[in-house]
Parts: sequence; C-alpha cells; structure tokens
Amino acid sequence: TQLLEQSPQFLSIQEGENLTVYCNSSSVFSSLQWYRQEPGEGPVLLVTVVTGGEVKKLKRLTFQFGDARKDSSLHITAAQPGDTGLYLCAGAKNTDKLIFGTGTRLQVFP
Amino acid sequence: NAGVMQNPRHLVRRRGQEARLRCSPMKGHSHVYWYRQLPEEGLKFMVYLQKENIIDESGMPKERFSAEFPKEGPSILRIQQVVRGDSAAYFCASSPVGSGGKNIQYFGAGTRLSVL
Repeated sequence: TQLLEQSPQFLSIQEGENLTVYCNSSSVFSSLQWYRQEPGEGPVLLVTVVTGGEVKKLKRLTFQFGDARKDSSLHITAAQPGDTGLYLCAGAKNTDKLIFGTGTRLQVFP
Repeated sequence: NAGVMQNPRHLVRRRGQEARLRCSPMKGHSHVYWYRQLPEEGLKFMVYLQKENIIDESGMPKERFSAEFPKEGPSILRIQQVVRGDSAAYFCASSPVGSGGKNIQYFGAGTRLSVL
C-alpha cells in the first residue's frame, strides 16, 4: 500500500517557469521531508517540516506542510536546468522509518 | 565533515553468491537505516538499527537478508544466495541521537547491486 502519492509523476518545463509538486496522503505524519535525488546518487535532504501549516523557503523553493499534516507541496519559482532531478517526499509517523512518496521526475530545459 | 559512506558503490554477484554492503554513518550518528530502491520504484524501508541492536526490521525479507551494526565498525547488510530480483540500489541513512520526532535522515550514495 502506497501511503504517499506524489503528483505529477513527470514534469518537463522550460527554464524560467514555475511549478508545484504535490505529496498527498490519507495518513497523518509527525514530520515530512523533501529530498532531491540525481541519477546514480543518494537522496539529498532539502527540508524538514514538522508543524501543520508550516511554510519554509529555500532560495527559489517553497515548502508547505498541510494544516492536518497529511499533505505537502513544493513550489519552485523560475526553474533552472540545475533543478532537474527526482523529487521525493518522505513522511515519518511514530516510528523512525521514513515512508517515501512515489517521486516526481522534473526536467528543466534551457 | 564526511557524510554517510557506503561501499562498494557497485557490486556484481552471480546467482547464489553472497553480497555484503557496508555503511559508515555520519560522525556522531548512532542510528542507521537501510532502504532498497528497485528499478523505476521508490525507496522502501528495510531495517533500522542502533549500535548492537535491531530496532525495526519490518521491511526485511524473511529469508536470506540480515543486518547488523556492531559496537565497532560499519553497519553491514548481508544478502545470502542472491537472486536476480535482489538487483537494486541499496541506500543507507543515518540520523543523530535524539532526532526528537523530526527524524532527519541523511543518505549515502548507495550501493548498486547487479545479480547476473
């Protein structure tokens, strides 16, 4: 059973466009992480959100945790080719294991 | 400030052989997690260990797979009698003591296992 669904699954855009990736679940999480993974490498942590309604910004990336702590979004402003990669959300419940989302593959063309 | 170190990066085994994957956590981290990423799939939790203890192995296959994190040395994920379906990328992550519910995990670059 896949607890975290990400949408869209694939996204191809031109440099300079904005985009939003969604991470949805019917379950409540105590925290949620966003990672970016490049081919042949491990996931790199971008942000952790803990509080319902929390918004965090990392340069052109804005992360939001839903009020009910069941969903999250990642918004990228003015995307650049360097943003290309696989974006993964991962939630933690009362246990320490992370439950990963299905992933969103982003391709930004110059 | 070394990150999570995994070796080897690539491992090729023939069916029936044993695979040993090693993971050294970040300095000061005593919690280690192993995840598996099958081709075209997401990461799936396998096992969570602290020094000399297995805390949660709910994601480990019942047979052929084992993991340890000894008092000294790296964590080892061991796969006996490998089969082609074991071909995947295996990632190790570590977190510091008292992640306080935030459960911030840092990942290594992974070991890519290919079973011929």
